[in-house]
Amino acid sequence: SQQGEEDPQALSIQEGENATMNCSYKTSINNLQWYRQNSGRGLVHLILIRSNEREKHSGRLRVTLDTSKKSSSLLITASRAADTASYFCATGGDSWGKLQFGAGTQVVVTP
Amino acid sequence: DAGVIQSPRHEVTEMGQEVTLRCKPISGHDYLFWYRQTMMRGLELLIYFNNNVPIDDSGMPEDRFSAKMPNASFSTLKIQPSEPRDSAVYFCASSLPASGGYEQYFGPGTRLTVT
Repeated sequence: SQQGEEDPQALSIQEGENATMNCSYKTSINNLQWYRQNSGRGLVHLILIRSNEREKHSGRLRVTLDTSKKSSSLLITASRAADTASYFCATGGDSWGKLQFGAGTQVVVTP
Repeated sequence: DAGVIQSPRHEVTEMGQEVTLRCKPISGHDYLFWYRQTMMRGLELLIYFNNNVPIDDSGMPEDRFSAKMPNASFSTLKIQPSEPRDSAVYFCASSLPASGGYEQYFGPGTRLTVT
């Protein structure tokens, strides 16, 4: 069973707009990560936030984590056509290294 | 670094045949993961290794699936006999969590089609 559930399942925006997607999970975590998958490719790690952190930035990415609500959000600012991809959240728990992935959010950015 | 290497990239086989997928993790990484991705079930963890030892194989669908890691730089996932429902993209990933880097590095995947 999947630990993380992303919302929305799909998102269509225009270049320059911001894209926000959410992830909810069920059990306690050690860290939460976001990955991107371009069509036909493997997943690429974007950003990791630890359970004792509330917000993290990396370039145009901003991730928040609310452990009381068991939820996280990924914000992509000033989106570009190259941001078109599926985005997955993944949670890490007690088992070192093991992650549980959500079903993903498919983002389409049109020029 | 070349990243995680998987071979073959595409495999088409007939039902009942044996299929072997190969993975070379990033040098120095001590965790290796095998995933399967389908539209219906998403990304599923099949098995993972730590220092070449299988730690959790609870995701392996059935006895037709087996995985080995004979050394730190090579792992195989074998399906024997293959069935059409095994058609999926199989990913290998590696990580080095002891360094604080819990992120996983994925290979390009092997697209398996069983007819």
